[in-house]
Amino acid sequence: LAKTTQPISMDSYEGQEVNITCSHNNIATNDYITWYQQFPSQGPRFIIQGYKTKVTNEVASLFIPADRKSSTLSLPRVSLSDTAVYYCLVGDRGAGNMLTFGGGTRLMVKP
Amino acid sequence: SAVISQKPSRDICQRGTSLTIQCQVDSQVTMMFWYRQQPGQSLTLIATANQGSEATYESGFVIDKFPISRPNLTFSTLTVSNMSPEDSSIYLCSGARASWNTEAFFGQGTRLTVV
Repeated sequence: LAKTTQPISMDSYEGQEVNITCSHNNIATNDYITWYQQFPSQGPRFIIQGYKTKVTNEVASLFIPADRKSSTLSLPRVSLSDTAVYYCLVGDRGAGNMLTFGGGTRLMVKP
Repeated sequence: SAVISQKPSRDICQRGTSLTIQCQVDSQVTMMFWYRQQPGQSLTLIATANQGSEATYESGFVIDKFPISRPNLTFSTLTVSNMSPEDSSIYLCSGARASWNTEAFFGQGTRLTVV
């Protein structure tokens, strides 16, 4: 399984765009990239998934460069409620083994 | 999406005893997983619960310590056996609709304290 590296923590202010980068140098051809969000005292929640280029949904955008060795989760105009831990996962989508969590990034949004 | 309910939400147990955690999904899911999470730490996969067969355990976790049942596509249990204070943690149940669908759903977790 490809290992992921993320910043341990980030601070931001309300209304700003936040970009969290994940490094996955050993990503395999069949691997997808998935991001989860976890609030205190709750289980993780799926945010977005992608394979290459850009994926956007109502919550976030995911940017993946051509070499796929990294990815960036972009949260537009964050609010206080976006304070959470964000996990980047990489794995073979077909094998059901995507769900190995790395350290995650603790995002603190300040007023 | 699917809703996953875990029982109990929290418990305080005596060392040497066992606790069974129940996980109920409101719709059928192909895959179910059990995780452990220490406060402030990331999630560690304990095992994949397989319907009608033995669970698949990750390195460092064994069936005698963490027996798992999965009688159908909506229910699973995890037992933490012969507990010690080191087993104090949050235990999370997760489900995915298919092995290829990596949008997993998580329960709220069971906060276990062993004294």
